[in-house]
Amino acid sequence: QSVLTQPPSASGTPGQRVTISCSGSSSNIGSNYVYWYQQLPGTAPKLLIYRNNQRPSGVPDRFSGSKSGTSASLAISGLRSEDEADYYCAAWDDSLSAHVVFGGGTKLTVL
Amino acid sequence: EVQLVESGGGLVQPGGSLRLSCAASGFTFSSYWMSWVRQAPGKGLEWVANIKQDGSEKYYVDSVKGRFTISRDNAKNSLYLQMNSLRAEDTAVYYCARGKLPDYWGQGTLVTVSS
Repeated sequence: QSVLTQPPSASGTPGQRVTISCSGSSSNIGSNYVYWYQQLPGTAPKLLIYRNNQRPSGVPDRFSGSKSGTSASLAISGLRSEDEADYYCAAWDDSLSAHVVFGGGTKLTVL
Repeated sequence: EVQLVESGGGLVQPGGSLRLSCAASGFTFSSYWMSWVRQAPGKGLEWVANIKQDGSEKYYVDSVKGRFTISRDNAKNSLYLQMNSLRAEDTAVYYCARGKLPDYWGQGTLVTVSS
């Protein structure tokens, strides 16, 4: 059971806009930045979004992040076949055992 | 170019020990928090531990506290994870990553705990 809750799966057709949610609590998302990672099959995770809505250089602007209260979302517009991957949200958690928490991951399928 | 290269993974019996290493290059290693994150076969990502730039602060996930030790050698641009009393549930690919919340990740090294 992950501290951050994501839907296990999402899907869309090429060109569509898809959103992936990430729900947490006041000790993590509610008080810290949210990060998003993309993991293509058989590869290491790659940073997609940092500090809620910032894109590292090289990440297309089709990817965007937002946060409101204790929830966050990743939006992918103009969906492409190469976007088929697992997506994870993460945040620092201020609870007794200060640590990093990840969502369980969302498998995105491009139909 | 930022590069993180893990080594030291392998097959170990339950109760055994293993030391993972991560060689960093392409950035000023001593200026960054560093982390270990693992991924069990077919499962999601799990943060394991991280360490401050000068090693003065270290944090661990509850399931490895007292068994794993994270350390670093800034002179050698290297990060380590000493893993003792290994259990079957520690079987995973272990990633070395830059940052408290990572921005760059290595390719990972597989640790298999089995008799």
